Amino acid sequence: GENVEQHPSTLSVQEGDSAVIKCTYSDSASNYFPWYKQELGKGPQLIIDIRSNVGEKKDQRIAVTLNKTAKHFSLHITETQPEDSAVYFCAVSISGYALNFGKGTSLLVTP
Amino acid sequence: EPEVTQTPSHQVTQMGQEVILRCVPISNHLYFYWYRQILGQKVEFLVSFYNNEISEKSEIFDDQFSVERPDGSNFTLKIRSTKLEDSAMYFCATPGQGALGANVLTFGAGSRLTVL
Repeated sequence: GENVEQHPSTLSVQEGDSAVIKCTYSDSASNYFPWYKQELGKGPQLIIDIRSNVGEKKDQRIAVTLNKTAKHFSLHITETQPEDSAVYFCAVSISGYALNFGKGTSLLVTP
Repeated sequence: EPEVTQTPSHQVTQMGQEVILRCVPISNHLYFYWYRQILGQKVEFLVSFYNNEISEKSEIFDDQFSVERPDGSNFTLKIRSTKLEDSAMYFCATPGQGALGANVLTFGAGSRLTVL
């Protein structure tokens, strides 16, 4: 089955710095790559996604890049703010919405 | 505004007891998904449900689990005889019109199950 690896497991940055989280996957048939943010006590919330026909997508301070040849994709957060502190999950899908999640990255943005 | 409402928010049960978790969408969705998240671990896919039938399920979703749509709007996940390792957050999810556009998978706030 699909194997999704996510790194790092924890990330601490100063407010205003950039944060990068990386994921790799194993199944070349995967075609949908969302990123979710999970705050304490809440369900995962979609923040950005990318499909296999696009290499990069940006939405204000967040961006996702996809390298299908290497089977990896990354989340980039620029100008980080304390409210960006949360757990971030990458996910992969090859069959619609049956997402396969990474193990998560706990991001801490310190003022 | 959440797409789905989950109840209960937290349930404590004794090992061996049956548990029913409920999910109510605001919009009338045909697709439902159940995921679980053991404390500190990743979110895991359990089952997808389309038009009153299971369309896909994971290895986790064994005979102890079942899903139903009892009245056309509510969507339930039943665990027949709970085990300690069933303790987790259970999330319902539906495709919806998220801020990022159509057909994004939106999760409810989750139901925390504690098995003693």
